[in-house]
Amino acid sequence: DTAVSQTPKYLVTQMGNDKSIKCEQNLGHDTMYWYKQDSKKFLKIMFSYNNKELIINETVPNRFSPKSPDKAHLNLHINSLELGDSAVYFCASSPDLAGPQETQYFGPGTRLLVL
Amino acid sequence: AQSVTQPDIHITVSEGASLELRCNYSYGATPYLFWYVQSPGQGLQLLLKYFSGDTLVQGIKGFEAEFKRSQSSFNLRKPSVHWSDAAEYFCAVGTTSGTYKYIFGTGTRLKVLA
Repeated sequence: DTAVSQTPKYLVTQMGNDKSIKCEQNLGHDTMYWYKQDSKKFLKIMFSYNNKELIINETVPNRFSPKSPDKAHLNLHINSLELGDSAVYFCASSPDLAGPQETQYFGPGTRLLVL
Repeated sequence: AQSVTQPDIHITVSEGASLELRCNYSYGATPYLFWYVQSPGQGLQLLLKYFSGDTLVQGIKGFEAEFKRSQSSFNLRKPSVHWSDAAEYFCAVGTTSGTYKYIFGTGTRLKVLA
């Protein structure tokens, strides 16, 4: 059983399109995250949700809209895709947002290529 | 500002040789430090973490790391590298000011020669 799963694994699309990436965790965690890993492997947090509520929004463009229908799911919708959105997007979860000692568990990543 | 620096972008070692990956952090309070490994095409897996207590931390796959407050470092070590250790290694600090989050270093890519 995969603890944190993401779909799709690969996504190739044209500039200007709208796309979504889905994330599900079966660990019973309260907190979920989205990270962006650029071409230089730099990982940066985009959003975090705790029990379906937005906690962190790291000055991500409004074209990115996370949605958490329940605490096991955190989806990422991207409008009007741009070339610079090409990256690997990782979903992660942790038991408790309030604890910095909590380990984050990462999904396998979604490789997005915008043409 | 909080930051994590991994000075070595690439490291190549021979199988069986020892390994040390460097990590320096800049953080005002007591840091919560992590090392993650990313195998090709995979997500990140936690190797080990440090919060307090013994400054030498043991992790999975035979890795260990030592926290040195005076040097603001948290270097990862392994006495004998295996070919399967070839991967990208990320150091991270968990921040406690404001909203908790990770700040990652830029990663070190490890290549293992047979």
